[in-house]
Amino acid sequence: DQQVKQNSPSLSVQEGRISILNCDYTNSMFDYFLWYKKYPAEGPTFLISISSIKDKNEDGRFTVFLNKSAKHLSLHIVPSQPGDSAVYFCAASGAGGSQGNLIFGKGTKLSVKP
Amino acid sequence: ETGVTQTPRHLVMGMTNKKSLKCEQHLGHNAMYWYKQSAKKPLELMFVYSLEERVENNSVPSRFSPECPNSSHLFLHLHTLQPEDSALYLCASSQLLQGGYGGYTFGSGTRLTVV
Repeated sequence: DQQVKQNSPSLSVQEGRISILNCDYTNSMFDYFLWYKKYPAEGPTFLISISSIKDKNEDGRFTVFLNKSAKHLSLHIVPSQPGDSAVYFCAASGAGGSQGNLIFGKGTKLSVKP
Repeated sequence: ETGVTQTPRHLVMGMTNKKSLKCEQHLGHNAMYWYKQSAKKPLELMFVYSLEERVENNSVPSRFSPECPNSSHLFLHLHTLQPEDSALYLCASSQLLQGGYGGYTFGSGTRLTVV
């Protein structure tokens, strides 16, 4: 059973608008959440993270929000740019002492149209 | 250049073949990982090596055999694979206990096709 779920396989957004990518998790032992970005023919690269003791972390155009009670996090990109078009993976760690191991979602493919 | 290099980038093999995937990292990390990415599935953790010792094996079939001869190199030996094993195989490295906090560096992956 999936512990990290990204229920939207794809998202299309106009350049300059906000992109919101969602992620749900089931394991309450997760204490750190991350977003990775993947371009075709490349490996995933770390984008932004948030600790479970926070509910928001911002880095430039990227903001991650965490709602622990709902076991939900989201990544906001504003304004969206065509170069943001990629697959975004949500990941979580910290369960059961395996803090070094990441559990990933299926990914959401973001397309930003000029 | 990501610091984690995987070879080959693409591999087509028959079900009776034996092949190996190679991963090399030049980041001084002491933990290495194999992940599998199948179509429409999450990235699945296959193996974890910490200080050159295997610390996790997520119920991976024995037709996949990892090897970590030193902290910079990781191999995945493949034999008698099935078509459903076709996927992107990703290697990653990190410092111990830092991987879960954004410290992973991934390679570009090996696209494997089993025919």
